[in-house]
Amino acid sequence: EPEVTQTPSHQVTQMGQEVILRCVPISNHLYFYWYRQILGQKVEFLVSFYNNEISEKSEIFDDQFSVERPDGSNFTLKIRSTKLEDSAMYFCASSDRGRETQYFGPGTRLLVL
Amino acid sequence: DAKTTQPPSMDCAEGRAANLPCNHSTISGNEYVYWYRQIHSQGPQYIIHGLKNNETNEMASLIITEDRKSSTLILPHATLRDTAVYYCIVRSLNQAGTALIFGKGTTLSVSS
Repeated sequence: EPEVTQTPSHQVTQMGQEVILRCVPISNHLYFYWYRQILGQKVEFLVSFYNNEISEKSEIFDDQFSVERPDGSNFTLKIRSTKLEDSAMYFCASSDRGRETQYFGPGTRLLVL
Repeated sequence: DAKTTQPPSMDCAEGRAANLPCNHSTISGNEYVYWYRQIHSQGPQYIIHGLKNNETNEMASLIITEDRKSSTLILPHATLRDTAVYYCIVRSLNQAGTALIFGKGTTLSVSS
């Protein structure tokens, strides 16, 4: 069964550094998403992406964040100048156009020191 | 999207059916009921969804009341691996690519 994959599974970085989180969505899907979950809190939507542009974003997704589909398979989340409060699990998801069910990857655990 | 209400926690004995309720009294006609679960900080896992008819798949059954104001997710024979947080989410499919809004869900504990 096809699945969403994410790399790395864990990332530790110093405050102020830039990180790039990578995702490979399910191959025939057209919509891509990033969510995050701070430890002990709810899963929160960050951004959705379709046809090479952002279709929706939350208040969390400010200028510190950017997304990109650099090639036909990868979908990335870049966090510039990381802050301590960016420490969280980051989940990528994808959905096809018709059925709209979002399928999630296993997540990247980001720790900012 | 309509708001949902779920009990914070439930217990179930292994091998028994787990019935997880969800209230969504403000649901509108074009909104679907989705269920996801999250096992110990893993990525949310899609379980099932429905509009107004009851649905069944290899994981679970979804029973939606006739007025659509509430639903029940049924895991027919719960196992220890079903211990997870279960999220009931209501969303419209009129607009593609929209966010899933997660609440706190129900923490289901399955014990032997």
